Amino acid sequence: EVQLVQSGAEVKKPGESLRISCEASGYRFTSYWVGWVRQMPGKGLEWMGIIYPGDSDTRYSPSFQGQVTISADKSISSAYLQWSSLKASDTAMYYCARAVGMIGAPYYFDYWGRGTLVTVSS
Amino acid sequence: QSALTQPASVSGSPGQSITISCTGTSSDVGRYNYVSWYQLHPGKAPKLMIYDVTNRPSGVSNRFSGSKSGNTASLTISGLQAEDEADYYCSSYSSSSTFGVFGGGTKLTVL
Repeated sequence: EVQLVQSGAEVKKPGESLRISCEASGYRFTSYWVGWVRQMPGKGLEWMGIIYPGDSDTRYSPSFQGQVTISADKSISSAYLQWSSLKASDTAMYYCARAVGMIGAPYYFDYWGRGTLVTVSS
Repeated sequence: QSALTQPASVSGSPGQSITISCTGTSSDVGRYNYVSWYQLHPGKAPKLMIYDVTNRPSGVSNRFSGSKSGNTASLTISGLQAEDEADYYCSSYSSSSTFGVFGGGTKLTVL
């Protein structure tokens, strides 16, 4: 059974750093893209970026390029989303999901984690 | 503003059928048969309901079906049940984006 287990909710102050995780199981982690999706309070879903753990190929949506870092550790089948300096506007639910579709160009998500709520407030 | 346009809300009574539309452009929905639909329940992992316009993943009820005409894709839920009450999002591959693009989401209320 494919599962994506995300780390727990976080409450941080502006300017702090943060890394949230997504542990995959039930499939070959290095053979599928993993993506991150943001949902701000009361808003819709947004693609943030994807990573292919097999070779660490990472792609970012223009809106998130330079704002976050996506990484993966294939030795423990985990993907990460990281901020170096959080802002209040980073308050959101963040989902990880397995991305599939065309080879080298995934365009939908077949399995999702439950999400990690990140709250940034002074 | 989301790339794909969905109605903010739809509603229906148990047993009825409802359709949620998802309107894009000739760069996404109209060009590719790569539309997917997701169901979001609070506190639960989002669930893929439809992929590639009409395909249902294993385990998804056949009460859920997808279609497309021109630049508009649709998700139809027949025989509405209370458990179908959720937010639904469409997504499409887009030639103008690095990845897929999402719709703004539709809240389904089962009366």
